[in-house]
Amino acid sequence: DAGVIQSPRHEVTEMGQEVTLRCKPISGHDYLFWYRQTMMRGLELLIYFNNNVPIDDSGMPEDRFSAKMPNASFSTLKIQPSEPRDSAVYFCASSAGANVLTFGAGSRLTVL
Amino acid sequence: AQSVTQLGSHVSVSEGALVLLRCNYSSSVPPYLFWYVQYPNQGLQLLLKYTTGATLVKGINGFEAEFKKSETSFHLTKPSAHMSDAAEYFCAVSEGTGRRALTFGSGTRLQVQP
Repeated sequence: DAGVIQSPRHEVTEMGQEVTLRCKPISGHDYLFWYRQTMMRGLELLIYFNNNVPIDDSGMPEDRFSAKMPNASFSTLKIQPSEPRDSAVYFCASSAGANVLTFGAGSRLTVL
Repeated sequence: AQSVTQLGSHVSVSEGALVLLRCNYSSSVPPYLFWYVQYPNQGLQLLLKYTTGATLVKGINGFEAEFKKSETSFHLTKPSAHMSDAAEYFCAVSEGTGRRALTFGSGTRLQVQP
């Protein structure tokens, strides 16, 4: 199994630009999670899905952030417009209901 | 609401010494507890987990942790540190069969001195 696949691994963009982060979960996993990691705030849950349906998006910082899961094998996290304070590592993780999350390698976002 | 407190953002030990990383949790329901490890520029990897049953759980790379309900703790230990153990360690809690998302502690960076 290839694990959880995230793209891009690194993204550098300018303030105001749209950013789209992508995630392919492990086949057969029914939960998908988006986390953000920063030095100041540590690991924060942004949103999670069960069977492609958003269950809890209370961690999404503001309306500039949106996440979708159109099918069981793909999810996106979009930031529009991006701001420097959005700079962080964004992790996608998936699980098969047993609470054991498998994490992707992360997408490091830098907003200038 | 669930929360995790990791005491000590940095821990330094000598190679061969005991590793002890502390974790205390708060949960309104019986918790599921986890330790994850993160190496530089990588994602998090599961070290071990407690769900139900035996309170002493063994994980990969010689690590183990004991769930102590009375102390609301889930400390991580390893009898003898190896240089390759240098990494950041995260304790996490979930509500088991309820809310599936994990709440993570702030992490403890382990340094291993030769």
